[in-house]
Amino acid sequence: AQSVTQLDSHVSVSEGTPVLLRCNYSSSYSPSLFWYVQHPNKGLQLLLKYTSAATLVKGINGFEAEFKKSETSFHLTKPSAHMSDAAEYFCVVSEVTSYGKLTFGQGTILTVHP
Amino acid sequence: DARVTQTPRHKVTEMGQEVTMRCQPILGHNTVFWYRQTMMQGLELLAYFRNRAPLDDSGMPKDRFSAEMPDATLATLKIQPSEPRDSAVYFCASGPGGGTQYFGPGTRLLVL
Repeated sequence: AQSVTQLDSHVSVSEGTPVLLRCNYSSSYSPSLFWYVQHPNKGLQLLLKYTSAATLVKGINGFEAEFKKSETSFHLTKPSAHMSDAAEYFCVVSEVTSYGKLTFGQGTILTVHP
Repeated sequence: DARVTQTPRHKVTEMGQEVTMRCQPILGHNTVFWYRQTMMQGLELLAYFRNRAPLDDSGMPKDRFSAEMPDATLATLKIQPSEPRDSAVYFCASGPGGGTQYFGPGTRLLVL
């Protein structure tokens, strides 16, 4: 069985400061891991994905995530937050046996202050 | 730029009425998913298809919800009869396999 835990329901940062959104996962098999972003009243957009290649994954809009198997973590980071980054972020896991079915974390709402 | 499209974008209806939501997946994608999002429950998987065959609809209330893929370019989600507790945003997503999914803009449903 696969599961995802996002450790913070809300994160607040100032514009220009680093962003860290934390995610731990549980998976019986080698997982694929994703981060999706949802801006208010919009659909979900894929930020990045890890599929057993490089452990440091670069995504869109300057975001990146590092897969750490020993810690079962897949934290999302960005060196410098922008106002447009304010949104809800979902950490997601998929197993090869699940035919592409995704298991979503509960989401982290990122607020960016001027 | 290929995208998943959903219609209608907004729907207001009265309790007891039938609601049909449509989704056009990205051409060539062989998996299609229906999700429901509410403030209370977050994002819930309702049903999904692979090569147009239903794989899992255990997330759907069977007595009132039904999901079909009449062809590769159309997926439908029907609610009959609708109830106020069905008010939510319904997302369709499609994927080429391997877990990556591309989401549509959603149908915002309000049942009065």
